[in-house]
Amino acid sequence: QVQLVESGGGVVQPGRSLRLSCAASGFTFRDYTMNWVRQAPGKGLEWVAVKSYDGSTEYYTESVKGRFTISRDNSENTLYLQMNSLRPEDTAIYYCAKVPYPQALYGAFDMWGQGTMVTVSS
Amino acid sequence: DIQMTQSPSSLSASVGDRVTITCRASQGINNFLVWFQQRPGKAPKSLIYAASNLQSGVPSRFSGSGSGTDFTLTISSLQPEDFATYYCQQYKRYPLTFGGGTKVEIK
Repeated sequence: QVQLVESGGGVVQPGRSLRLSCAASGFTFRDYTMNWVRQAPGKGLEWVAVKSYDGSTEYYTESVKGRFTISRDNSENTLYLQMNSLRPEDTAIYYCAKVPYPQALYGAFDMWGQGTMVTVSS
Repeated sequence: DIQMTQSPSSLSASVGDRVTITCRASQGINNFLVWFQQRPGKAPKSLIYAASNLQSGVPSRFSGSGSGTDFTLTISSLQPEDFATYYCQQYKRYPLTFGGGTKVEIK
């Protein structure tokens, strides 16, 4: 069945880096645009970044521009989020989420991973 | 950026009650709106997409309406498993934006 599994979270000091992964299975990964969404403890959902199905388009929320990089390896069915210069306010559960339509940049997410926790603290 | 404003931020209701949650966009988004349900400790789950289309497997007591800037999620008869937090989100353009959430609690 369709599954997204995030990994790579943990506790990291401010200013350090972390790379998250999202392993996809059960669908043709290379055909679907993928997103990262985060949720700080006790807070609402915040969209973070998107990478189009073919890797040609990416966007970021303003607060992570220049620090985070979204990428994908379609041969490994994996989405990544490289997070540099981490700040305490980046502390959150990070989810990957899939757009429902093949070769589309937009769409209502139809599948989410279980999330991976990132804690930025000294 | 498109701002999404949800109301109320929380509500208390009893099993069997009819519940309505509203979401307003700061500019027109046609019907590019999705409603998610999130239970504690779980990932969000899509309920309604394109403002009024029920996601496969979602009970028919959930319904959505609206277009342009004003949207509504209605639960016709609240069930124990419906106590959760609900979010709207626009997917008209990036950056994608969410409403602040509505926590539905047991009265």
